[in-house]
Amino acid sequence: EIVMTQSPATLSVSPGERATLSCRASQSVSSNLDWYQQKPGQAPRLLIYGASTRATGVPARFSGSGSGTEFTLIISSLQSEDFAVYYCQQYNNWPRTFGQGTKVEIK
Amino acid sequence: EVQLLESGGGLVQPGGSLRLSCVVSGFTFSSQAMSWVRQAPGKGLEWVSSISGSGSGGSTYYADSVKGRFTISRDTSKNTLYLQMNSLRAEDTAVYYCAKDMWRFDYWGQGTLVIVSS
Repeated sequence: EIVMTQSPATLSVSPGERATLSCRASQSVSSNLDWYQQKPGQAPRLLIYGASTRATGVPARFSGSGSGTEFTLIISSLQSEDFAVYYCQQYNNWPRTFGQGTKVEIK
Repeated sequence: EVQLLESGGGLVQPGGSLRLSCVVSGFTFSSQAMSWVRQAPGKGLEWVSSISGSGSGGSTYYADSVKGRFTISRDTSKNTLYLQMNSLRAEDTAVYYCAKDMWRFDYWGQGTLVIVSS
């Protein structure tokens, strides 16, 4: 099983600042990685697929990069609606696995 | 508009069974892979099971934690995805989401809560 490790567990950021979230795979997943956003009481929402492609309707301030084992999600200028938990997920191998999540909170 | 609506959750005793349903609309269900993902209270996301589309033979996949106990299936005449859960354990307590699966989970239902407790 591929283990996905996200860091940091919690990120405290002020509105308007940049947030950088990391996701590391225990072995290569090529570019077969997604990012999801989840707000309290809501279902997750797809943000990025294929490591770097924004899903439909996702603002340009969200960008993903990386391949192999190291991936990054950047939120260029945090808006109030961006404070949430973010998960990465690999679909290169079965079983599909999620990272444990990074909570982005207001500083 | 793509919509997914889960139902069937509830309180069940350890060792019991439950069947979850997910009614979908807005896309061609028969040809689309579908998945179940769960989230224990206060915890992260865990992939549970997937079923491929008709073009891929309807293959099924399971997490080790549920293999042999859970069964994923679909009824294309009813546009409904199912998750039959047997021999339930306390650690199966979670919100269960169904998701449209394009290798990415691009649409999710609102979830249904399963509580396994005596």
